[in-house]
Order: sequence, then C-alpha cells, then structure tokens
Amino acid sequence: NAGVTQTPKFQVLKTGQSMTLQCAQDMNHNSMYWYRQDPGMGLRLIYYSASEGTTDKGEVPNGYNVSRLNKREFSLRLESAAPSQTSVYFCASSYPVTSTDTQYFGPGTRLTVL
Amino acid sequence: KQEVTQIPAALSVPEGENLVLNCSFTDSAIYNLQWFRQDPGKGLTSLLLIQSSQREQTSGRLNASLDKSSGRSTLYIAASQPGDSATYLCAVTSGSARQLTFGSGTQLTVLP
Repeated sequence: NAGVTQTPKFQVLKTGQSMTLQCAQDMNHNSMYWYRQDPGMGLRLIYYSASEGTTDKGEVPNGYNVSRLNKREFSLRLESAAPSQTSVYFCASSYPVTSTDTQYFGPGTRLTVL
Repeated sequence: KQEVTQIPAALSVPEGENLVLNCSFTDSAIYNLQWFRQDPGKGLTSLLLIQSSQREQTSGRLNASLDKSSGRSTLYIAASQPGDSATYLCAVTSGSARQLTFGSGTQLTVLP
C-alpha cells in the first residue's frame, strides 16, 4: 500500500516549456486534489476532482490544467511554465463522506522555472 | 472566503517546555479542523482531526482544542523534544467540495 505517489520529485523547466505532474493513489479514494506551497505559506488549492470524471477550480487555477484519468490517477499540466509557478506541488486524496475523513498527501514535486 | 491564520510564525523553545500554537479561521461553517506536521522537504502528516461537534482531541503529548463559535483552535505540545522540531500547519475543511484551507504554519524549533 503505497498511499499517494507523485512523479517526478524534482523538475527544472525553462520559461515557456510544458510538463505534466503525475499523481496516483491506491486507497480507492473518490476525491483528489492538487495544491501548491510557496515559501512561508500554507498550501493553496489549484484544482480538485470530487469524483472520477469531474474536475473543478480551486483558489489558484490560472496557468494549470488537470485530468482525472481514472479513479487512481490525477495529473496536473503546465502548458507554458512561468517563473511564478516555481513552487512545491502536493497531490492529496480523500474519501470525504464523514466529518472524520482526512486528506492523505504525497511527498511533493519541487518545480523550478527559470 | 475562508481564511486561516496561525500565530506565531516561528517559535524556538528549550527542550522540556510545554507550548501552545494558535490557529484562527474566519468562517465557522466547517466540517473539521486538522493539525498537520511538515518536516523540511517532506509531505504533510495529519496529527489530529477535530470534528466540528467536538471540543478537543488528544494523541500522546499533543492536545488540540476547537472553539468553533469564536473561530479558534490551539495545539498544545507537552514536554517538547528536539524531534518535535517541524512546521505545524492548521487547516479547516469547509465548502461543498470539502476542501482544505491552510494557515501559513508555525515553524517550531526545540533546542536540546
């Protein structure tokens, strides 16, 4: 049981390049989330998928797209990377049925855009 | 829009001290409040989750309280140890998507 896995762990891009961050969970969770964390700040929600086949914008969606490929996988795409997207990206998943449900987080992807 | 604030931003204490971390939130319509721990370069680990109907939760040396009406929570750490050094994040679950809104964290250093 690996929990939430993310690839890659580190990435350096040049301005204008594109890339896709991959996330997978093996806990049979319905909901998946993408967050970014900037220095000295908490995590901010980029996009989420409440269930397979649905996606919605979070607090900071501009410059990103997502795909819920199946129940296990949720990818985040940067079409044209900008230096402002330098951040640590976390994927999370949950089975949000009751008020005791928590989100489980992956180890993060550290992205630098030059 | 839900906003979460944590005070202090950083805290340094000698080993053995008891300490309190504070969290406040603006919208009391929450499902739960969680405290997470984040070690440098790592992901988040959930420490305690308090349902909106509860007043507190305890796990070992950690005790978290929730006063939903005033929009406040505290995390109490008893007999602190150097291994407690980390960033502690408070987050509330709210909204139809049950999304988490995080505070900016308290960076704790426990000196041996």
